[in-house]
Amino acid sequence: DAGVTQSPTHLIKTRGQQVTLRCSPKSGHDTVSWYQQALGQGPQFIFQYYEEEERQRGNFPDRFSGHQFPNYSSELNVNALLLGDSALYLCASSLYSTDNTEAFFGQGTRLTVV
Amino acid sequence: AQSVAQPEDQVNVAEGNPLTVKCTYSVSGNPYLFWYVQYPNRGLQFLLKYITGDNLVKGSYGFEAEFNKSQTSFHLKKPSALVSDSALYFCAVRVNRDDKIIFGKGTRLHILP
Repeated sequence: DAGVTQSPTHLIKTRGQQVTLRCSPKSGHDTVSWYQQALGQGPQFIFQYYEEEERQRGNFPDRFSGHQFPNYSSELNVNALLLGDSALYLCASSLYSTDNTEAFFGQGTRLTVV
Repeated sequence: AQSVAQPEDQVNVAEGNPLTVKCTYSVSGNPYLFWYVQYPNRGLQFLLKYITGDNLVKGSYGFEAEFNKSQTSFHLKKPSALVSDSALYFCAVRVNRDDKIIFGKGTRLHILP
């Protein structure tokens, strides 16, 4: 049973560029959430996707956008990259509206903006 | 607003001794509480959760946590620490089943051989 998989594992981009990160949820899960973890901090919620729609959004600018596909996989897009966007980006999958409330996380994508 | 506090940046424990990592929370409503562990350059691994019922919940790798509603705490415990327990531990909370998860800033646990 594959867990949550993210790609790529590492990425280096230049300021002003755009980046796309990808996530495949754990088998059987239908909800994907994205988190940003800056160095030395706890993960911060970016947004959540269910049924191909953004259901909730954290305090992140519109430069951060996402998408969920019919197979439940998801992408996170960040436009006009800033140095401050450098972080570990974590994808979490879960099953919507059940008592199995824990989320399962991928290993993350380490984004470095130079 | 919902929040989670982990008052200790680092906890040092000798191998074989009991360990406690502290967590307090503030939510409007009944919380769903979690502990996750993060090893270097890795994602988060789920350890345990509290939804309802028995205040003492048991999780992976011998960890357990005690929910205390009056003190709004959810401390992580283990009777006998292992060097391999050294990692970064996050306490987290969500209010509704489908709500976002809010994390504490993390506590680095260092088990001394």
